[in-house]
Amino acid sequence: DQQVKQNSPSLSVQEGRISILNCDYTNSMFDYFLWYKKYPAEGPTFLISISSIKDKNEDGRFTVFLNKSAKHLSLHIVPSQPGDSAVYFCAASAADYGQNFVFGPGTRLSVLP
Amino acid sequence: GAVVSQHPSWVICKSGTSVKIECRSLDFQATTMFWYRQFPKQSLMLMATSNEGSKATYEQGVEKDKFLINHASLTLSTLTVTSAHPEDSSFYICSARPLAGGLAKNIQYFGAGTRLSVL
Repeated sequence: DQQVKQNSPSLSVQEGRISILNCDYTNSMFDYFLWYKKYPAEGPTFLISISSIKDKNEDGRFTVFLNKSAKHLSLHIVPSQPGDSAVYFCAASAADYGQNFVFGPGTRLSVLP
Repeated sequence: GAVVSQHPSWVICKSGTSVKIECRSLDFQATTMFWYRQFPKQSLMLMATSNEGSKATYEQGVEKDKFLINHASLTLSTLTVTSAHPEDSSFYICSARPLAGGLAKNIQYFGAGTRLSVL
């Protein structure tokens, strides 16, 4: 049973447009969420995080939105650049789990020039 | 800051041999290090959580006698795949969570991963 879901395995966006990556979770105990970016044959790189006490966190071109009632979060990238092409993983953690992360299956983003 | 070095990046071995993978936090101390495994086109699966000076905590279904974890210091953890078989071929990734200091304690920093191919 997947606790963290990313229902779109892939997404293609034109350069300069907005990329929206979605993530849903089932465990209401999760209180901290992160997005990681991963290039092939490399380890994931931390992008942005959000605590459950917030509904939005922004860092440059990246904004994460959290809707706790819907158990849904999204990552917005504006404007999208070709270098953003990678696999994006959503991760969640709960204090009860000792801050271990549960990762979603990932969404492969392709930004077309 | 927050560099995690993982070595080797790629290893090919014969079935039945053992392979050791090192994970080092280069510019910070880590209370906890994590070992993940990733199958092609799948997510990162947590194998075990390693705390310095104590035994690792393994996730359900992970054989602790096969995947030996040693966390000798606050900057080094090793994963040894013992008696490797072709089904152990995978991408193994470690991560480290900072002890303190300027880095956020609730973020894991990842190594570049090790691709293991068992013939």
